[in-house]
Amino acid sequence: AQSVTQPDIHITVSEGASLELRCNYSYGATPYLFWYVQSPGQGLQLLLKYFSGDTLVQGIKGFEAEFKRSQSSFNLRKPSVHWSDAAEYFCAVGVGFQKLVFGTGTRLLVSP
Amino acid sequence: GAVVSQHPSWVICKSGTSVKIECRSLDFQATTMFWYRQFPKQSLMLMATSNEGSKATYEQGVEKDKFLINHASLTLSTLTVTSAHPEDSSFYICSARDRTGSDTEAFFGQGTRLTVV
Repeated sequence: AQSVTQPDIHITVSEGASLELRCNYSYGATPYLFWYVQSPGQGLQLLLKYFSGDTLVQGIKGFEAEFKRSQSSFNLRKPSVHWSDAAEYFCAVGVGFQKLVFGTGTRLLVSP
Repeated sequence: GAVVSQHPSWVICKSGTSVKIECRSLDFQATTMFWYRQFPKQSLMLMATSNEGSKATYEQGVEKDKFLINHASLTLSTLTVTSAHPEDSSFYICSARDRTGSDTEAFFGQGTRLTVV
């Protein structure tokens, strides 16, 4: 069965520091991978997605993610975090062209 | 980008009553819409997939008679929580796929916070 693991429940990063959020997936075929961000009480906003091609994907708000098939990973990175980046981040794998299977999320806290 | 509107944003209802949540694709047609449920501090769990003009497909463990889904048009899907109980209190989020889209991106609504008292 498909699954997504986000091993870090919480991460605290100083403003201006770099960020990496980890995501590992389990899926038998070529995965469609996504990163979403959710602010408190809000829906989800797509940060970036990977379908095929270049394994380094650029997204909105300065985020990028790298697909590594050998490690079954799709880690999210940002070189310099802003206080407004504090939110919940979800990694997801698309199952075929239908549903998304989400990880448990990582809450990002940004310290001054 | 495409916009999905969910209404209401929050609702409080009495135990035993029914609540309807609407999910609309505002600027595109959605052949498929998805309903998710999110418990506090947890991830989103898919409840059901609805296709326009046909019956919804429910995930294992989701009571179809309790969570009624109707996808009557290409721009509207509704989720009705029937005979709601406090344990149904949760954050419900819908998403929709653009029928003309060439990729698998789904656009999410802003969610509905349901509190059953």
